[in-house]
Amino acid sequence: EMLLTQSPGTLSLSPGERATLSCRASQSVRNNHLAWYQQKPGQAPRLLIYDASTRATGIPDRFSGSGSGTDFTLSISSLEPEDFAMYYCQHYAFSPRTFGQGTKVEIK
Amino acid sequence: QVQLVESGGGVVQPGTSLRLSCAASGFTFSRYGMHWVRQAPGKGLEWLAVTSNDGENRFYAESVKGRVTISRDNSKRILYLQMNSLREDDTGVYYCVKESSGWYGYFDFWGPGTLVTVSS
Repeated sequence: EMLLTQSPGTLSLSPGERATLSCRASQSVRNNHLAWYQQKPGQAPRLLIYDASTRATGIPDRFSGSGSGTDFTLSISSLEPEDFAMYYCQHYAFSPRTFGQGTKVEIK
Repeated sequence: QVQLVESGGGVVQPGTSLRLSCAASGFTFSRYGMHWVRQAPGKGLEWLAVTSNDGENRFYAESVKGRVTISRDNSKRILYLQMNSLREDDTGVYYCVKESSGWYGYFDFWGPGTLVTVSS
């Protein structure tokens, strides 16, 4: 089973600031099959990024993903009020398709 | 557009069984792998199970292996999760999720979820 460790647990930032979220895998993620999801309270998660760096349909270009192997990053270039939420990374290289424990981006 | 609608959740006693359903529309159901993911109250996402597009391949998380069965009816466009010997730590919101391919894809659409509460 692949373990995904996200850091930090909580990120306190102001609107307009840049957010950098990390996801570290316990083994190399084959084909960079790593995705990022956003979840707001009371809602289902939403796909943001797949294949480590490809934005999903309709996702604003302030969201970007990077990384390969075992280290991946989700960046939000300039936080909008609607971006304050939980973010999860997940691999889909094999089963079980584990998730990271999440990073909460909160308003400072 | 893609729609996934879960049903079958509710309040049940420990040790009992429950079957969740997920009605799919807006895409060719038989072409895509489907998953169940749950979220305990105030906790993160936990992947539970996957079935391949044709239902021939299935895989389960260790936490539920032996107690749950994922299945699908491609003719009815419905995904199921049969859960047995329910425990209080099975409480949570259960999401039906479509993946982007037949077996190893990312999760491109999620249902709104159905709440399961296991309590005596």
